[in-house]
Parts: sequence; structure tokens; C-alpha cells
Amino acid sequence: DAKTTQPPSMDCAEGRAANLPCNHSTISGNEYVYWYRQIHSQGPQYIIHGLKNNETNEMASLIITEDRKSSTLILPHATLRDTAVYYCIVRIYTGNQFYFGTGTSLTVIP
Amino acid sequence: GAVVSQHPSRVICKSGTSVKIECRSLDFQATTMFWYRQFPKQSLMLMATSNEGSKATYEQGVEKDKFLINHASLTLSTLTVTSAHPEDSSFYICSASEDAGVNTEAFFGQGTRLTVV
Repeated sequence: DAKTTQPPSMDCAEGRAANLPCNHSTISGNEYVYWYRQIHSQGPQYIIHGLKNNETNEMASLIITEDRKSSTLILPHATLRDTAVYYCIVRIYTGNQFYFGTGTSLTVIP
Repeated sequence: GAVVSQHPSRVICKSGTSVKIECRSLDFQATTMFWYRQFPKQSLMLMATSNEGSKATYEQGVEKDKFLINHASLTLSTLTVTSAHPEDSSFYICSASEDAGVNTEAFFGQGTRLTVV
């Protein structure tokens, strides 16, 4: 079962930062937080993941709270091509399956 | 990044027939592959985990005799939907991991749209 909760939808103006929140209050100490996105009728695309430190790559930044009960994915300058469903996933420690929650449908508005 | 390829991308079949979907890791060896199903406007649902050279592990509620999974090599897993019915129409997606580490990302195929008529 998914261990995360996300808002069902969000809008963001093109060129502005998109901040997508995720709650994972039952996360265990060794579980990682992953973010994927899915553009309509395509397979999910990996964005970023982290354990407890903030992470940044060419696509996004991941901010994880100190208690690790929530995180925020930041797309620094959203473009129309960032319109997608974004999934926050907690990786179950004992296996390497990914269980998807309902995700956040992000719409970038011109 | 690593590439996972699915074939076919779309398939239409008659009710009662079987359909095979292939999932290949193109530039890495995948010890573990996963199969998901996604209905319209819903999230991905994990169906099964396949490990190279051993039997697949199915999620609760997934019929193993209906969804046959074979992972005969480190670069290929297949999902066969047997005796397909219209309710099996869905978007099927595979993913692959290079190893079993908990810090390993999974790479996803582009998906297969199955329509049973």
C-alpha cells in the first residue's frame, strides 16, 4: 500500500516555481522518498529521490523535513511540458517495489 | 538514463485470446522487473514482481494463472494475459531495477495499451 498523501491537483503559472507537497508520516528510518511523474499515456519518469538530506538535480529539488514526515518537490521554473501527474513514493525497505499513490495532477498555465 | 522498452505499444485482441507483452532492459541487466496495470484516470497498481530465473511474486488479488509472467533472462520479462476479456483492457507498464538495493531507482517502459474487443 502507498504510504503517502498528496493533494489531487495543483496549478502553477509558467516560469514560476512549482512546489508539490507530500505527507509520509509513517515513513521508517531507512525508507527513501522517490518522486516520479507521468505524462498522459506514457510510462512514469524518474525525477529525484532522497533519504533525509535535501537533494537537487537538473530537473528538480527535493526538500525533506527534519522529522522526515513530509517532503516538497520543487520545479524551479515550470514549463508547459511539466504538466503531468506527480507521484511521491516511499520505498518499502524490505523490498524494492514501488507502490504508487494517487499523485498530484499539476497543470502549468501559460 | 537507463532505457526500458515495451512491445507492443498498442494491441487490440479478441475476447478469449491471449496476448503477450515484452519488457526489455536495453542497457543494463535487470535482476528484478515489475508489472503494473493502470485504468483510466487511476494510479498505477503493482501486479507482480518477477526475479530472473525464479517464479514471480503476485500482489494480492492478481490471478497468477491469468497473468503469466516469465523472466527468463536478465534483459527480458514477458507478461501474457491469457483468455483476455474486455475488463482486462488497460494500460500495462513494466519497470526494471538493476539490482535489489533499496536505493535503486526503477526505470519504466512506455507502456502497452491493451484493448480487448
